[in-house]
Amino acid sequence: KAGVTQTPRYLIKTRGQQVTLSCSPISGHRSVSWYQQTPGQGLQFLFEYFSETQRNKGNFPGRFSGRQFSNSRSEMNVSTLELGDSALYLCASSLAGTSYEQYFGPGTRLTVT
Amino acid sequence: TQLLEQSPQFLSIQEGENLTVYCNSSSVFSSLQWYRQEPGEGPVLLVTVVTGGEVKKLKRLTFQFGDARKDSSLHITAAQTGDTGLYLCAGAMAVSGGSNYKLTFGKGTLLTVNP
Repeated sequence: KAGVTQTPRYLIKTRGQQVTLSCSPISGHRSVSWYQQTPGQGLQFLFEYFSETQRNKGNFPGRFSGRQFSNSRSEMNVSTLELGDSALYLCASSLAGTSYEQYFGPGTRLTVT
Repeated sequence: TQLLEQSPQFLSIQEGENLTVYCNSSSVFSSLQWYRQEPGEGPVLLVTVVTGGEVKKLKRLTFQFGDARKDSSLHITAAQTGDTGLYLCAGAMAVSGGSNYKLTFGKGTLLTVNP
């Protein structure tokens, strides 16, 4: 099976702009989660989508949003970018059973200048 | 407050040495997972432990889940340079008492194995 893919891999944006990141999960996985990873805060949960519905949400401002399509592909949007949004954004898919094992993509490295 | 505390934060050892990293919490988890992340890549799942007291072995790596399902350890025997990476533990906890689970990650242990 193909793994989780994320596009783009690298992105440079300016403060105030918005950005959309894309994630294609492993075939058959209906749960897609997004995480932000920074050296200081580690891996922080943004939100999870399951069957096109947001099922869980982390403690991030409303500038961070997402959606999931009927084919389980997901997008994450960040509006009004701030310098502190610079991070590695990781997408993970899961079968969402009780063990909730995550299969991660390679991430999108976002730099905000 | 970090729900999952990992220690040590950094570890630098010589090839051939043994090491143990720890993952501790005051919360009970339904399962606990260990991941390894290499630079420029996403984390890769190593193992999932579910039962209190469970021990799993993956070649030179031994994972243990605490009896109370609140803590875990990862022991590496005879470390190799290929073991270098960021080791993350993650605990799964039910949300709203249903079949919906949320995963919380520790900040990780950055392991460097020197030749």
